[in-house]
Amino acid sequence: GESVGLHLPTLSVQEGDNSIINCAYSNSASDYFIWYKQESGKGPQFIIDIRSNMDKRQGQRVTVLLNKTVKHLSLQIAATQPGDSAVYFCAERAGANSKLTFGKGITLSVRP
Amino acid sequence: GAGVSQSPSNKVTEKGKDVELRCDPISGHTALYWYRQSLGQGLEFLIYFQGNSAPDKSGLPSDRFSAERTGGSVSTLTIQRTQQEDSAVYLCASSNPGTGIPLAKNIQYFGAGTRLSVL
Repeated sequence: GESVGLHLPTLSVQEGDNSIINCAYSNSASDYFIWYKQESGKGPQFIIDIRSNMDKRQGQRVTVLLNKTVKHLSLQIAATQPGDSAVYFCAERAGANSKLTFGKGITLSVRP
Repeated sequence: GAGVSQSPSNKVTEKGKDVELRCDPISGHTALYWYRQSLGQGLEFLIYFQGNSAPDKSGLPSDRFSAERTGGSVSTLTIQRTQQEDSAVYLCASSNPGTGIPLAKNIQYFGAGTRLSVL
């Protein structure tokens, strides 16, 4: 069946380094993707999104890259900070009226 | 309020009891979603409302689970005869998907969740 998944369950990075969180998706009909951040005890928080007609989008310290050829999505965080420690989820949507399908999540741990 | 509000924030109940979880979405958001998140796991989709109707109930795990939405706003998720495996955080999200617009965004905004513990 169709699924959205993440390659690694945990990622540990040094404070100040760049982080790259990867996500694979299998639904070729997906047209919209979102990255969420979830801190302990809180609901997921929107970080950045990208439509399928783009391959890159930048926000504040974050960049999302989309490679439709290999069905791969990544989130890059520049100059990772302790406050970036959280679980990150990718989500995809197949069509304007479809629900989001979430990946399993990856934990980002920032070492001081 | 400005964000999605869920109540209660924590609920402890005994096995076999019924519970009701409430979600107040962001004002004006037409779509409302319920998810379940077990400890250290991802988000499990339960049900989706567009207005007061639920076009997708595919995620409800059993007939003990039901949800309703009234006035296109507040939603209640009811779990009857709770079991220990129902223990989880129940998250609600709302969005304004712009139905019919092909490239419309569907950013879902989440509440903080209700942590349900069934003893």
